[in-house]
Amino acid sequence: GAVVSQHPSWVICKSGTSVKIECRSLDFQATTMFWYRQFPKQSLMLMATSNEGSKATYEQGVEKDKFLINHASLTLSTLTVTSAHPEDSSFYICSARDGLTPTDTQYFGPGTRLTVL
Amino acid sequence: GQQVMQIPQYQHVQEGEDFTTYCNSSTTLSNIQWYKQRPGGHPVFLIQLVKSGEVKKQKRLTFQFGEAKKNSSLHITATQTTDVGTYFCAGHFGNQFYFGTGTSLTVIP
Repeated sequence: GAVVSQHPSWVICKSGTSVKIECRSLDFQATTMFWYRQFPKQSLMLMATSNEGSKATYEQGVEKDKFLINHASLTLSTLTVTSAHPEDSSFYICSARDGLTPTDTQYFGPGTRLTVL
Repeated sequence: GQQVMQIPQYQHVQEGEDFTTYCNSSTTLSNIQWYKQRPGGHPVFLIQLVKSGEVKKQKRLTFQFGEAKKNSSLHITATQTTDVGTYFCAGHFGNQFYFGTGTSLTVIP
């Protein structure tokens, strides 16, 4: 099956610093990638949809200047959490869609656990 | 806004017992997908249902999509300890994709 990787798998940073998370589709090209965050024992909340070569589409309530998304190639999307604060601590998961239609299967990365001190 | 609710939120079963989680949407879905997330892991795609009233089986798992395409269910027959995890449904509303609230399954050996 399709494989999606994320790096790093976990990161601890100081408040006020920025953290970049990478999401790669390893064996397929993904025009569209998605970024989610998940708090403990809660569901996944879609943050933004990342489209290769264009600006990301952010969900309501997600600050685009705080969560910078870049989808520079068909296999790589990055999420940068700028000026991170403790409330940004969460599990960030990306997914990559294998296909061009909205109902094509999404494959999820292993997630990145961010802890902001 | 769109809501996809699942019940129950938590379920503890004895190994060998059956388990069912129900997924209900506030509006009609284009399709429904089911995912399993093991503790500490990421969601893994299980199946997609598209047609009204569709039923699909994967070994001990039976997935059903309601006639009105607003609800779905996942039934596990004779649970095993390897079934432990959180099961999420997820649905498309047009181009939007939302996860359900999830059902956490614990299987007691």
